[in-house]
Amino acid sequence: AQSVTQLGSHVSVSEGALVLLRCNYSSSVPPYLFWYVQYPNQGLQLLLKYTTGATLVKGINGFEAEFKKSETSFHLTKPSAHMSDAAEYFCAVRGSGYSTLTFGKGTMLLVSP
Amino acid sequence: NAGVTQTPKFRVLKTGQSMTLLCAQDMNHEYMYWYRQDPGMGLRLIHYSVGEGTTAKGEVPDGYNVSRLKKQNFLLGLESAAPSQTSVYFCASSFSGTKGEAFFGQGTRLTVV
Repeated sequence: AQSVTQLGSHVSVSEGALVLLRCNYSSSVPPYLFWYVQYPNQGLQLLLKYTTGATLVKGINGFEAEFKKSETSFHLTKPSAHMSDAAEYFCAVRGSGYSTLTFGKGTMLLVSP
Repeated sequence: NAGVTQTPKFRVLKTGQSMTLLCAQDMNHEYMYWYRQDPGMGLRLIHYSVGEGTTAKGEVPDGYNVSRLKKQNFLLGLESAAPSQTSVYFCASSFSGTKGEAFFGQGTRLTVV
């Protein structure tokens, strides 16, 4: 079985502030983890993914995430928020041997000037 | 590259009507998926396919049917639409194997009145 919990349906930050979006997963097998971003009225776009190897993963638009097995977490961060980062962010897990992705319920990031 | 293309982009149905949503991908992916997205619910898997001629149920399959007659196409059918099926539907595809990310279409916004 696999599941994802995203803490906080909405996160508000000021432009230039640190962005931290939280994701915890549950998987009975080694997980592969993904963060996607969705802008209004668009499909989902991959930000970054963890498969194997380095636990700190860098993605597009200055985002990065760290896989922490002991904490079953894969939190997404960005040092300095930009207005264009306002969007909905989804964490997803695919357990080794699984053919399907399971998504969290999403976190809406709001960026104020 | 077109990637994943969904047809139509918008549709309004009356209760009891039927329709088919078409998904086409040009990346030679083995796996294809249909998700629905509802506010506060994230993306929930309806049906998926791991290859031409195969289909399987996801988390919320009731009221939907699918077919994968050609590798590049994955059809989602609603035989008798209900207001509860008002949603945004996303098709996605990925390479086989668990490390690959899913690539998403732009979505179909369906309203059932």
